[in-house]
Amino acid sequence: GENVEQHPSTLSVQEGDSAVIKCTYSDSASNYFPWYKQELGKRPQLIIDIRSNVGEKKDQRIAVTLNKTAKHFSLHITETQPEDSAVYFCAARPNTDKLIFGTGTRLQVFP
Amino acid sequence: EPEVTQTPSHQVTQMGQEVILRCVPISNHLYFYWYRQILGQKVEFLVSFYNNEISEKSEIFDDQFSVERPDGSNFTLKIRSTKLEDSAMYFCASSGSRTNTEAFFGQGTRLTVV
Repeated sequence: GENVEQHPSTLSVQEGDSAVIKCTYSDSASNYFPWYKQELGKRPQLIIDIRSNVGEKKDQRIAVTLNKTAKHFSLHITETQPEDSAVYFCAARPNTDKLIFGTGTRLQVFP
Repeated sequence: EPEVTQTPSHQVTQMGQEVILRCVPISNHLYFYWYRQILGQKVEFLVSFYNNEISEKSEIFDDQFSVERPDGSNFTLKIRSTKLEDSAMYFCASSGSRTNTEAFFGQGTRLTVV
């Protein structure tokens, strides 16, 4: 069935270091891969997304890479700041309406 | 910036009671969704809705659940007879097209069944 695995479940980094979160999806028909940041008690907010015809996308300190052959995609945050602390969810959209979410990564950035 | 709005922000209900969660999607969007998130867990798809009918639903979305777009702006989720395990944050989302575009999430309704 459709599934998205996400690792690690928690990640602690020092301010200024990089953080990498990895996801694997099962449905090879998936063609859209968003990343959401969720602060405590708040809605998921899109921070970056990538479509299946692109291998990498960058937006300032955030980048996402996609390996369609391996069905992997990753989020890279450089020069982390305390305000980056949140839960990050990857998601994949199979060739249907819905998003399949990963299990989330709690990122803590220590000053 | 347009946003999806949900009411109420928090609903407490007794087990067995019916609840209706309300959402106003972004005005020019055509695709509407409900997701839920049990505390500390991942976001799970419930149902998608397009052209006044359900286009897809998950195993969670059983006969106790229904959705409706009663007018041109509201999109509702009804739980007919709530169970303790229905306690979760319910997120409404909307998007302008079916695939390859961003889904905008509302701020959520926290449902607590006691």
